[in-house]
Amino acid sequence: DGGITQSPKYLFRKEGQNVTLSCEQNLNHDAMYWYRQDPGQGLRLIYYSQIVNDFQKGDIAEGYSVSREKKESFPLTVTSAQKNPTAFYLCASSKAPPGYNEQFFGPGTRLTVL
Amino acid sequence: AQRVTQPEKLLSVFKGAPVELKCNYSYSGSPELFWYVQYSRQRLQLLLRHISRESIKGFTADLNKGETSFHLKKPFAQEEDSAMYYCALGGGADGLTFGKGTHLIIQP
Repeated sequence: DGGITQSPKYLFRKEGQNVTLSCEQNLNHDAMYWYRQDPGQGLRLIYYSQIVNDFQKGDIAEGYSVSREKKESFPLTVTSAQKNPTAFYLCASSKAPPGYNEQFFGPGTRLTVL
Repeated sequence: AQRVTQPEKLLSVFKGAPVELKCNYSYSGSPELFWYVQYSRQRLQLLLRHISRESIKGFTADLNKGETSFHLKKPFAQEEDSAMYYCALGGGADGLTFGKGTHLIIQP
């Protein structure tokens, strides 16, 4: 494995706290994505970024924020405004459009709110 | 709006039996479709995509635009095929739209 990494693997947060999930890739991909995976829900897109210093909201962006200061990094912050943050979070990267290139996924971070 | 439907949450078949995981999509443009697989304790990975028309690990999937389907098939299931399978649709500048997944269990 390698190529795209996420840390930490497990994360526990108290209610009311913000927490940041790390995602790094060394694949020289322009595009990066954050998904949330819940049992029976599949993967839902939180945020995506096609280029450095630019990002767009996905389907369920409320309560989350991101930054893209470097090509290799796309951290996700889960804020206290996210009502149900306990979930498995997946980061992915791909070459930029046009066309659809394979998305490569990280191993995921499991966030639990206590 | 684009949508992907996988009607079966769970599919259990015996080893050696044929497998078909169903996927239907809704999209007004020209779709690009994928199957991703997640084996136990492994990361999500691409299994196949419709434009490559490959057979990967014995699996094939044909895009049927008339029925808006992209079903995944394998003639003889193997125990190592047990996994979560996700159908995904690419149709815009953002990320993929995933179905809710089908948990495939191959019984010995």
